[in-house]
Amino acid sequence: GAVVSQHPSWVICKSGTSVKIECRSLDFQATTMFWYRQFPKQSLMLMATSNEGSKATYEQGVEKDKFLINHASLTLSTLTVTSAHPEDSSFYICSARDLGTNTEAFFGQGTRLTVV
Amino acid sequence: LAKTTQPISMDSYEGQEVNITCSHNNIATNDYITWYQQFPSQGPRFIIQGYKTKVTNEVASLFIPADRKSSTLSLPRVSLSDTAVYYCLVGDANTNAGKSTFGDGTTLTVKP
Repeated sequence: GAVVSQHPSWVICKSGTSVKIECRSLDFQATTMFWYRQFPKQSLMLMATSNEGSKATYEQGVEKDKFLINHASLTLSTLTVTSAHPEDSSFYICSARDLGTNTEAFFGQGTRLTVV
Repeated sequence: LAKTTQPISMDSYEGQEVNITCSHNNIATNDYITWYQQFPSQGPRFIIQGYKTKVTNEVASLFIPADRKSSTLSLPRVSLSDTAVYYCLVGDANTNAGKSTFGDGTTLTVKP
């Protein structure tokens, strides 16, 4: 099946710095990708929809200036957590669907962000 | 997107068949039903998807009654490695392009 890859798998950063997380569709083109956040023992929560060549759409309560999303190509979306704080520590997951062949979404392996 | 309701947790023993039922009373005509499995610190992994009746693949079966207001994921002869959280999702594959609303999921614990 289709593969979605995230990088890095984990990252530790200091409070106040910015961190970029990449999401790539390895064998298909994705005009739309999705970013989720998951806190321990909780379900995935959709943060934003990343649209290739246009602005991302953010869910209610998600700060667009804090979570910058760029979808510059059909295979890459990036999420930048700006001025990270300890409360931003979480598991971030992206997903995408191969519109040409599949009806299910494929998820990346996730990125564990720890802000110290 | 239709809301789903699943049991919070289930326990089973190795070798048993496990059935996890999901309620989705407000499912729309164009909605598919998809199940994902998630291990700790990993992204969700696709298990199976269906629209109606029964779907079977190499790892699971999905039973969907005629009214489609519920669905049951069946895992045959589970092993310890099947311990995970299982999510049931419903959504229109054509318009959502993979956008998913996750419920609380079912934590399955398989015991030796």
